[in-house]
Amino acid sequence: GAVVSQHPSRVICKSGTSVKIECRSLDFQATTMFWYRQFPKQSLMLMATSNEGSKATYEQGVEKDKFLINHASLTLSTLTVTSAHPEDSSFYICSATSGGPNEKLFFGSGTQLSVL
Amino acid sequence: QKEVEQNSGPLSVPEGAIASLNCTYSDRGSQSFFWYRQYSGKSPELIMFIYSNGDKEDGRFTAQLNKASQYVSLLIRDSQPSDSATYLCAVNDNYGQNFVFGPGTRLSVLP
Repeated sequence: GAVVSQHPSRVICKSGTSVKIECRSLDFQATTMFWYRQFPKQSLMLMATSNEGSKATYEQGVEKDKFLINHASLTLSTLTVTSAHPEDSSFYICSATSGGPNEKLFFGSGTQLSVL
Repeated sequence: QKEVEQNSGPLSVPEGAIASLNCTYSDRGSQSFFWYRQYSGKSPELIMFIYSNGDKEDGRFTAQLNKASQYVSLLIRDSQPSDSATYLCAVNDNYGQNFVFGPGTRLSVLP
C-alpha cells in the first residue's frame, strides 16, 4: 500500500506552546488529506479535510484558529495546535488519498501529543 | 447525515475460529468499502477493500458486500491472538473526499 509519513510520533510540550505535526505522502500525490483526533478507547474523530492549495474544511466544533491546517503541496499537509492546553492531549492521525473513483485512504502513524 | 454502524463489541472468539464482523451504511451512493485494523495506540491499517457485490478473499480475510442490503462484512478465518484489535469499517462515495468511518468493533481472540 501507499506510504504516509507522519512526524513527530510523540511530543510533550508545556501549556501555551504551539506544536506542528507534519504529514507527507511519500509515493503518491495526495489531493486530499484528513486530520483525525482520537482519545483513548474512543472512535476516530474527523477534525478537518484539506485539499491541496485551498483552505481546510473543519468539522463542527473544531476551532479553525486553534488547529491550523496547511496543505501547500500535493505531498505535504501540516497541523499546528496553537496555544496547546492539557485538554488538547490526544492521538492525532493524518490520512491521505489521491482521490477519484475507487481510491483508497492511507493513514500516517499518528502523533501522541501530551500537554503538561 | 451519512452513517456507518458497527457493533462495538467486544467480540470474543477462540483461537482458530472464524470471526465475523459486520457493518451497515446509510448512503446508497456509497461505492467503495474498506476494512481497517487498528491496534491499541497505533493508527489504522488498511487490510481489505471491496467495490462490487459478492465476496473478495485475501489470505485469511474475506470481505463480503451486499449493496442491496447496504451491508458489508469481514470474515477472519483461523483467528489468531494477533488478530485482536479494533476493526473499522469505512465507506466512500467515490468522489474521494467522503470517507465515513464506523465506530469500530473490538475483536478479542482468546488463546
